[in-house]
Amino acid sequence: EAQVTQNPRYLITVTGKKLTVTCSQNMNHEYMSWYRQDPGLGLRQIYYSMNVEVTDKGDVPEGYKVSRKEKRNFPLILESPSPNQTSLYFCASSLWEGMTEAFFGQGTRLTVV
Amino acid sequence: KNEVEQSPQNLTAQEGEFITINCSYSVGISALHWLQQHPGGGIVSLFMLSSGKKKHGRLIATINIQEKHSSLHITASHPRDSAVYICAVWGSNNDMRFGAGTRLTVKP
Repeated sequence: EAQVTQNPRYLITVTGKKLTVTCSQNMNHEYMSWYRQDPGLGLRQIYYSMNVEVTDKGDVPEGYKVSRKEKRNFPLILESPSPNQTSLYFCASSLWEGMTEAFFGQGTRLTVV
Repeated sequence: KNEVEQSPQNLTAQEGEFITINCSYSVGISALHWLQQHPGGGIVSLFMLSSGKKKHGRLIATINIQEKHSSLHITASHPRDSAVYICAVWGSNNDMRFGAGTRLTVKP
């Protein structure tokens, strides 16, 4: 089954404790991206990647890191999480940017206390 | 002003009604997506449009590139259509920008 898998689904952590949210797709997609969703602000892009070893900043990259060492995986790293990073996070992939269907992961609800 | 504007923000309909959700954008785009987000959070892509019109079951999506406007129509609405519908555009910088979403409630 074609899918984008995020883990964990739920995470509560403390300020400053490094964490990684994993994202994996099994569709051989070139394009992957991370978004956060906040009430009143909607979905906003954090980082995206157009291919292996190619990443770029979205609208709200501060406080986040990503890497794309293999085509299927695109982890989101919070080196020193803060309470303002409490949010619902989505990973998505598509065959390439723009003109192809986007597939979203199930979401990760992160709470930083 | 947001680059992607949706209307209405909230919409309540009776089962069977015809529903229209609108999306206007102010940037150049290569494609527009309509997404559906059910309670519980998962997001599903409904349509990807670059021109014209697409139909899938009771859902129809149209786009007018010259007017920078798209509409999502639901015919014969059903309570299971209750969800948040999100318009998203692929910009010229290979990024995706989103509307705020339209919360649809269909009552039996």
